[in-house]
Amino acid sequence: DTEVTQTPKHLVMGMTNKKSLKCEQHMGHRAMYWYKQKAKKPPELMFVYSYEKLSINESVPSRFSPECPNSSLLNLHLHALQPEDSALYLCASSPPDRGHISEQYFGPGTRLTVT
Amino acid sequence: AQSVTQLDSHVSVSEGTPVLLRCNYSSSYSPSLFWYVQHPNKGLQLLLKYTSAATLVKGINGFEAEFKKSETSFHLTKPSAHMSDAAEYFCVVSVNTNAGKSTFGDGTTLTVKP
Repeated sequence: DTEVTQTPKHLVMGMTNKKSLKCEQHMGHRAMYWYKQKAKKPPELMFVYSYEKLSINESVPSRFSPECPNSSLLNLHLHALQPEDSALYLCASSPPDRGHISEQYFGPGTRLTVT
Repeated sequence: AQSVTQLDSHVSVSEGTPVLLRCNYSSSYSPSLFWYVQHPNKGLQLLLKYTSAATLVKGINGFEAEFKKSETSFHLTKPSAHMSDAAEYFCVVSVNTNAGKSTFGDGTTLTVKP
C-alpha cells in the first residue's frame, strides 16, 4: 500500500459546527503533515507530527486541533471555523530520513467549505 | 534560511514540443530538491528528487531535472509534452536543519495545446 487516504473528500460546515478530517497511511512512515492550500497557491504547512508527537505548529489558530492517535492515523479537528478557512486540506507523510530529507507522499485532500 | 523561485508562473507549449520549467533556489546548507505535480482538485505527486547523489535526476513520466550548484538551479524538462502533462508544478527545497519544513515555490501552470 503506497498511498495516503483522506476522508471526507468534500465537507461543508457552518461556523458553529464541529467536524474532523481524517488521514491514513500504511507505509510505515513516521512523519505526517497537515497543509492548507488556497486556490492558485502552494500548500502552506500547518502541523508536523514526528513519531506521533507534535513537532511543528505553524502558529495555526486554535480552532484547528490536530491529533495523531497512532503511527498510521492523523486527524484534524475543526471547530468554529471562519469562511476564510475554506480551502483544500492536504495530508502528507514521509519515510524516515536516511541522511537526507525524504520526499512527501500526499493524499488527495479534503475540499472544505465554511458557510 | 532557504527560498525557492519558480521563474515562470505560466508556461504554454504545444503537444509534442519540449517542456522547460525553471526553478532557482537559495539555501545556507546542502539542499534536497523536489518537483511535484498537482492536477486540478488532486493532491501533489512526486515527479523526482535530488538528494546529493547524481546531479541529473530522472523522474516519472519522462521528466528529468539537473541540479546545477553554480547556478543554484533545478530546472525541470521533458523532451515531448503530452496533453496529460497539463497541471500545476511545484519546486520544493528542504534542508536537514529545518526540522521537517519544506519551502514551496509559487508554482508554474503548464498548459499543453493540441
